[in-house]
Amino acid sequence: DGGITQSPKYLFRKEGQNVTLSCEQNLNHDAMYWYRQDPGQGLRLIYYSQIVNDFQKGDIAEGYSVSREKKESFPLTVTSAQKNPTAFYLCASSPRQDSTDTQYFGPGTRLTVL
Amino acid sequence: AQKVTQAQTEISVVEKEDVTLDCVYETRDTTYYLFWYKQPPSGELVFLIRRNSFDEQNEISGRYSWNFQKSTSSFNFTITASQVVDSAVYFCALSERGSEKLVFGKGTKLTVNP
Repeated sequence: DGGITQSPKYLFRKEGQNVTLSCEQNLNHDAMYWYRQDPGQGLRLIYYSQIVNDFQKGDIAEGYSVSREKKESFPLTVTSAQKNPTAFYLCASSPRQDSTDTQYFGPGTRLTVL
Repeated sequence: AQKVTQAQTEISVVEKEDVTLDCVYETRDTTYYLFWYKQPPSGELVFLIRRNSFDEQNEISGRYSWNFQKSTSSFNFTITASQVVDSAVYFCALSERGSEKLVFGKGTKLTVNP
């Protein structure tokens, strides 16, 4: 089945640690996105990539890093510099390099800092 | 600048009632796209509809219908004969042509009680 997978579903981190969230898609989509969702809030864009080996900062990129070495993979690292990382993280992809195209979402990773 | 407002934070209805979720948007562009997504308790965002700014025809899909009115900058979503499975958070989103971002409203939490 085609789709977007995110792992792990739940992640616990100690303060000062870096953690990496996985996002994989087998839809052959060009563009991939990372969003953060806080309780009662909409989604805020962290990073996006429209093509392999290229990515751009979104609205809240501070404390996060990404890579796009393969078309199907777009991992997100939450660094110790991110002051309040506890949140729900959603990965998405879209067929073309165009934000007006429909984005399809993965199941999300819930990160908790202990 | 793009902006989406979902003024209804939470709505509670009894099964079989009709319910309308409001979405008001702001944009300076003449070409833009509007979206609705459903987020059930599992967390994954499910795509419902994409509509471009040149197509003002209302759309119906089963129990779901959408009313797009450019004159009032609104893109409202109606669920007819609501069911318990419709309980979720619903997000409206906007993307302008040439923008690299999809901007989300804060969502409306719908609870359908049996």
